[in-house]
Formats: sequence, structure tokens, C-alpha cells
Amino acid sequence: SQTIHQWPATLVQPVGSPLSLECTVEGTSNPNLYWYRQAAGRGLQLLFYSVGIGQISSEVPQNLSASRPQDRQFILSSKKLLLSDSGFYLCAWSVRGGTNTEAFFGQGTRLTVV
Amino acid sequence: AQKITQTQPGMFVQEKEAVTLDCTYDTSDPSYGLFWYKQPSSGEMIFLIYQGSYDQQNATEGRYSLNFQKARKSANLVISASQLGDSAMYFCAMRVPNDMRFGAGTRLTVKP
Repeated sequence: SQTIHQWPATLVQPVGSPLSLECTVEGTSNPNLYWYRQAAGRGLQLLFYSVGIGQISSEVPQNLSASRPQDRQFILSSKKLLLSDSGFYLCAWSVRGGTNTEAFFGQGTRLTVV
Repeated sequence: AQKITQTQPGMFVQEKEAVTLDCTYDTSDPSYGLFWYKQPSSGEMIFLIYQGSYDQQNATEGRYSLNFQKARKSANLVISASQLGDSAMYFCAMRVPNDMRFGAGTRLTVKP
């Protein structure tokens, strides 16, 4: 069966520090991968999605970046965190292409920038 | 670009009653999927129900049903016989190939 792992679960980082959040998927190949951010009590904002290794689409210009070094690995990074980067970050995967399968989510990372 | 709109920031319902959560969408793709997710306070995202753009019948999953009105571009979630455990955030989402976007969510509170 397919599983998605996302870590860490919580993170407190000072302003200006770097960030690296990692997400890996098991039990499937060639997935679409997504990074979402959720501000407190708000909706999910699509940050990045990827349809293959090295292929990243950015939805919101900001100081975050994403990379997909391997088929089932998706990394969210920042060189210098801002206070506004605080939020709940969710990684997800879906079957590539098509429209009839849901996205499966990791447990999320709660990031607090202080 | 795809757009999902949920206009109800919060809803209240009495236990055992039915409630409808609204969702409208906009896309130029003829093929798309509509999804509803539940997010309890733990933060996990729980898939509830799916409706395809070519499906003729409304989807149902237990106490959940999706009222799909294609001409109006709406995909409302109906929860029947509400339970206290239904209190959570609910998100509507739309998928086109390689892209999946979510609405702002509706916080549902079930009153005893």
C-alpha cells in the first residue's frame, strides 16, 4: 500500500534561518507531488507541484523553493525564513494525470517562525 | 486558471440534522474531478467523496452526498444526520490533470 511520510511534525525556527522540509512517498511510482500551506484557520494554498524529477511548478512567488531530486522525494526549502512563513505545511501525492483520484496527504509540519 | 470558492467561513448545525456546505468552481477544462475533504483539529486531511465532471449521478458515501449542478458549477456537500464528530474544517477541491486546488474551507460546528 502507498504511504507518505513528512517530517518534522513541528518546527520552531528564528527569522532569517534556513528551512528544509522533506516528504517521501512509498508504494507508488511517478506520482504528482504537491506542497500546500495553510495559515491558521484558513484554506490550503498550493505552493508547488511536480509531475516528475526536476520538474517544479511554482504557484506563488515567495522566498520558498521546492526540489524533486528523486521520483518519490519532494523537498521544500528556504534560504531565509520570514515571520509570514509560519503555517501548517502539507505534502501530498496523487496518481499522475487523470482527474478521478484523490490526493493523499502527509501528517503536516507546523512551522513557527519567531 | 482553476478557482474554487467556499463562501461559508463557518456553519452551525444541530446534532442529527442535515447540513449543506457550499462550493462553486470555475475551470475551462472539460474534464475535472471534484473532491471534499474533512480536516479535524489534528490537521490530517481525510478524503470524503468524489464527483467526476462526466458523472450523471450525484455521488454518495454513507452520510455524505454531493449535490452536483454542472450548469451552475456547484458541488455542494450534504451531510445527513450530523454527529458531534463531524465538527471540523471541510474543504472542497478540484482536480484537473496534474493540478489540485482547494477552497478556503468551511468550519462546521455540530451542537449537541
